[in-house]
Amino acid sequence: GENVEQHPSTLSVQEGDSAVIKCTYSDSASNYFPWYKQELGKRPQLIIDIRSNVGEKKDQRIAVTLNKTAKHFSLHITETQPEDSAVYFCAAPRGHAGKSTFGDGTTLTVKP
Amino acid sequence: NAGVTQTPKFQVLKTGQSMTLQCAQDMNHNSMYWYRQDPGMGLRLIYYSASEGTTDKGEVPNGYNVSRLNKREFSLRLESAAPSQTSVYFCASSLEGGTGANVLTFGAGSRLTVL
Repeated sequence: GENVEQHPSTLSVQEGDSAVIKCTYSDSASNYFPWYKQELGKRPQLIIDIRSNVGEKKDQRIAVTLNKTAKHFSLHITETQPEDSAVYFCAAPRGHAGKSTFGDGTTLTVKP
Repeated sequence: NAGVTQTPKFQVLKTGQSMTLQCAQDMNHNSMYWYRQDPGMGLRLIYYSASEGTTDKGEVPNGYNVSRLNKREFSLRLESAAPSQTSVYFCASSLEGGTGANVLTFGAGSRLTVL
């Protein structure tokens, strides 16, 4: 089955700095890579995703990059703000979205 | 349009008791899922239903049963609760039309404590 490793497990940055979270996956057939954000006590919500035919995707302050050869994808958050503080999960589904293997999560803390 | 609604939000059980978590979605999604989330362990799939009338095991199905009652509703049952089932449970759904690359929409979660 798919194996997804996510690093780091915790990340603390100063407001305004950039944050990068990286995930590696094992199944070369994976073709869709979402990132979910989960605020404390809330449900996970999709913040950005990328498909395998694209190398990079941006949405305002967040971006995702994909390296299919190396089997890793990364979440980049620029100009971090305190409201970016949350747990971020990557996933690598094959077939049904809900059969994703999720990373263990990265707790991001943005210090004001 | 409520999205994914799950009940109850909180539940405390004694070891050996049974209960059912209910989930309903109003987005006309085809697929539904139950996950559990434990500290530091991310989201683990318990059971899923790819379409109405089908269910299948996920990563951690032991101790659970599910029913896809209709296209909207997918319930999770604990027949004899154990302390190891103390967790936060999330129901989710996805459209799953064609490409297989679809977004998961999660419910608000149900916090279950088994004493």
